[in-house]
Amino acid sequence: DGGITQSPKYLFRKEGQNVTLSCEQNLNHDAMYWYRQDPGQGLRLIYYSQIVNDFQKGDIAEGYSVSREKKESFPLTVTSAQKNPTAFYLCASSIWGPDSYNEQFFGPGTRLTVL
Amino acid sequence: GDSVTQMEGPVTLSEEAFLTINCTYTATGYPSLFWYVQYPGEGLQLLLKATKADDKGSNKGFEATYRKETTSFHLEKGSVQVSDSAVYFCALSLNNAGNMLTFGGGTRLMVKP
Repeated sequence: DGGITQSPKYLFRKEGQNVTLSCEQNLNHDAMYWYRQDPGQGLRLIYYSQIVNDFQKGDIAEGYSVSREKKESFPLTVTSAQKNPTAFYLCASSIWGPDSYNEQFFGPGTRLTVL
Repeated sequence: GDSVTQMEGPVTLSEEAFLTINCTYTATGYPSLFWYVQYPGEGLQLLLKATKADDKGSNKGFEATYRKETTSFHLEKGSVQVSDSAVYFCALSLNNAGNMLTFGGGTRLMVKP
């Protein structure tokens, strides 16, 4: 079955530590995205990538880093510079093109808690 | 800039009640419009979409009509079930912006037996 996987489902981090969240897709999509969701709030875009070896900052990129070495993978690193990292993190992918009607497909999410 | 505004929740209904969740948008072009649903502890799933004015998206008993004149895309369902309890997100995407989505803040629906 095609889809997006995120791991781990739950992640605990001590203050001052970097942590990397995994996102893999087998949908052959060019574009991938990372969102942050806080309780009772909508989604905010952290980073996105339209193609391998290229990525762009979203609305809240500070304290985060990404890489896109393979089409299937788009890992997100939450660094110690992120002041309030406790949140639910969602990865998504889509076809990339000029048309607006292509949906984004979402993974199941990773819940990060800083202890 | 482009934006999506949804009615604030939570919306609490009894089973078999009629549901409306309002969504209005502001966009510089002619967007495609989406409704996504998020069940507890999960990612988002596409519920329905509409790509041009007067289109009606429908799925699982839910419907929404793209109203250009009122810049709205309200979600409706004639008879909700307990299993419909979730958070619903309205979103837009513009041509020539790839598939970047602008989300509303989400509306939590709680359906009581």
